[in-house]
Amino acid sequence: SAVISQKPSRDICQRGTSLTIQCQVDSQVTMMFWYRQQPGQSLTLIATANQGSEATYESGFVIDKFPISRPNLTFSTLTVSNMSPEDSSIYLCSVREGAGNTIYFGEGSWLTVV
Amino acid sequence: ELKVEQNPLFLSMQEGKNYTIYCNYSTTSDRLYWYRQDPGKSLESLFVLLSNGAVKQEGRLMASLDTKARLSTLHITAAVHDLSATYFCAVDKRNAGGTSYGKLTFGQGTILTVHP
Repeated sequence: SAVISQKPSRDICQRGTSLTIQCQVDSQVTMMFWYRQQPGQSLTLIATANQGSEATYESGFVIDKFPISRPNLTFSTLTVSNMSPEDSSIYLCSVREGAGNTIYFGEGSWLTVV
Repeated sequence: ELKVEQNPLFLSMQEGKNYTIYCNYSTTSDRLYWYRQDPGKSLESLFVLLSNGAVKQEGRLMASLDTKARLSTLHITAAVHDLSATYFCAVDKRNAGGTSYGKLTFGQGTILTVHP
């Protein structure tokens, strides 16, 4: 199974700043995704990170707020821009291996905006 | 829009008892996932159900999928305290060509507490 590492694991951020979260996978994967889990809530898909092209965003999420990069098949970043307290959430990277059936999640990045 | 609904949202169980968590979804899909999340942790994959009638079991947990009813169940047998966690079901919607997107729509989660 894929091993997914996220950095940072936790951070406390000032309002108005931006933070970039990194997701590193130990093998090449075709599909990478970013999710948000607000406190006490379920997970919501932010976007699909496409290798070599712009990410595909879900309804309610925009590139200016959540720019995503995916330079290769093992790495992606998510930036949370101009943060407000409402952005306090867990941000999770997810991958599907090739044509495999299981979808794995990273450990998550816990962000608190003050 | 795909919607996934779990019930109950909160489940308080006595050790040794059995119970079932239900997961209903609104559009055609034959790929259903169950995850467990402990407080302060990420998601742990429990089951992947890939076809109508699929049944999988691991320890005290058994999951099933009825694609015609658009329903999956997670059955807990003889609950123990270690099963206390939040359980999520998630649906992966295929496109018209039958390809799985790999993008998951999650249910609200069921917070399970097992007490003596």
